[in-house]
Amino acid sequence: KNQVEQSPQSLIILEGKNCTLQCNYTVSPFSNLRWYKQDTGRGPVSLTIMTFSENTKSNGRYTATLDADTKQSSLHITASQLSDSASYICVVRLGVGGGNKLTFGTGTQLKVEL
Amino acid sequence: DSGVTQTPKHLITATGQRVTLRCSPRSGDLSVYWYQQSLDQGLQFLIQYYNGEERAKGNILERFSAQQFPDLHSELNLSSLELGDSALYFCASSRLAGGGTGELFFGEGSRLTVL
Repeated sequence: KNQVEQSPQSLIILEGKNCTLQCNYTVSPFSNLRWYKQDTGRGPVSLTIMTFSENTKSNGRYTATLDADTKQSSLHITASQLSDSASYICVVRLGVGGGNKLTFGTGTQLKVEL
Repeated sequence: DSGVTQTPKHLITATGQRVTLRCSPRSGDLSVYWYQQSLDQGLQFLIQYYNGEERAKGNILERFSAQQFPDLHSELNLSSLELGDSALYFCASSRLAGGGTGELFFGEGSRLTVL
């Protein structure tokens, strides 16, 4: 069964600290993996996309990694800010053989405090 | 601003009633997706349309239906509403049916409260 699991479910950190969010997937065939940020009550917004051949990609203070062999991805947030408080959702897209379907993780709820 | 417009933003209604949620995709996007997000839950895929045709179906109840019109806007109809239908309903659009990088652009959601 195609699944995407995220950990931790929730996380509280102090402003200025770093954190890492995890995403493990069993999706096959794999096409790409996106990290979305969803502010409370708002629609998700894409942060970064990882394809099979990419190991690391950065978007400002956000750095995503992908290990296609172990089917794991991480999102590292550096020097956290209060505005980073949000839900971070990992979404994996199946390849053509899987109908290009999307599988969503349930998200990691991050709270950044003073 | 994602370019995806959803109306209404908020809706309060009673059990047993019927409501219609509307979505206008980004200019040029042919694919529209509907998602339901209950309190503190993840996004649940309901249905996808591509260029007017139903493309994929998720966990959509029989009481719910949707369609995409020739101008590419979409409507989600929810009938015989129950308390458990209270949720945020998101519409998302993308340029393609499913190929390519497939980024989804989400609207701001319609918050439905059933009393």
